[in-house]
Amino acid sequence: EPEVTQTPSHQVTQMGQEVILRCVPISNHLYFYWYRQILGQKVEFLVSFYNNEISEKSEIFDDQFSVERPDGSNFTLKIRSTKLEDSAMYFCASSGDRGLEETQYFGPGTRLLVL
Amino acid sequence: RKEVEQDPGPFNVPEGATVAFNCTYSNSASQSFFWYRQDCRKEPKLLMSVYSSGNEDGRFTAQLNRASQYISLLIRDSKLSDSATYLCVVSPDSSYKLIFGSGTRLLVRP
Repeated sequence: EPEVTQTPSHQVTQMGQEVILRCVPISNHLYFYWYRQILGQKVEFLVSFYNNEISEKSEIFDDQFSVERPDGSNFTLKIRSTKLEDSAMYFCASSGDRGLEETQYFGPGTRLLVL
Repeated sequence: RKEVEQDPGPFNVPEGATVAFNCTYSNSASQSFFWYRQDCRKEPKLLMSVYSSGNEDGRFTAQLNRASQYISLLIRDSKLSDSATYLCVVSPDSSYKLIFGSGTRLLVRP
C-alpha cells in the first residue's frame, strides 16, 4: 500500500539554526500539507501546497517557515531560525484531489527538538 | 469557542463494551467530516469518513447531525487494539485544511 514517508524521524537542533524536514508524498497525489503537534496538544494545520504554490497557510506559518517541492517526489518544510517553541512533531500529508470527502494520508512524522 | 470540541476522556472500558464518542464543531460551513485514530507518538490514521446519512464500517458507526453541528462515533465489541486516541476532524468548505479536535482517549482493559 502506498504511503507517505518522512525523514529524518528525529532531529535535534540548537535554537537559531535552520532545519529542513523532508517528505515523499504518495506518488500520484497532487495536494501536500504540513501539520504540527506540540507534545500533549492537538494536531495543527500549517500549510497546504498545490501546483507548486502555497494554497493556504495558518497563522503559525510565519516568515520563518517555507515549503518547496524541489523535484517530482520530495516536499520539504524549512524553518529558517528555529525557536524553542518550534519543538513538536511535524507531519506531512498528501491527498489525491480535493473532493467532497477528501482523505489526507499522513506520514510517520519528524520529531523536532530545539535546544 | 473551540473549532472542534471533544471530551478528552479517558474512557476506560472492558473488552466487549460499547463506547460512544461525541464531537461538536463551530463552523456551520464545514463540509467534510472524519474520525482519525492516533496511537501514542504516531501519525493520525483515517478511521472513517462521516456522511450525512450515517455510515458503518464493521464495529464502527459514525453519525453526523448538521443542524446540531454534532458528530459521533460508536465502537461496538471493543478490542484491546482499539486503545488509542480518537480524533474528530472537520474540513471547512472551500478550504484544504483539516481542523482537529484534541482527541478522546480510549483505554480498553482485559
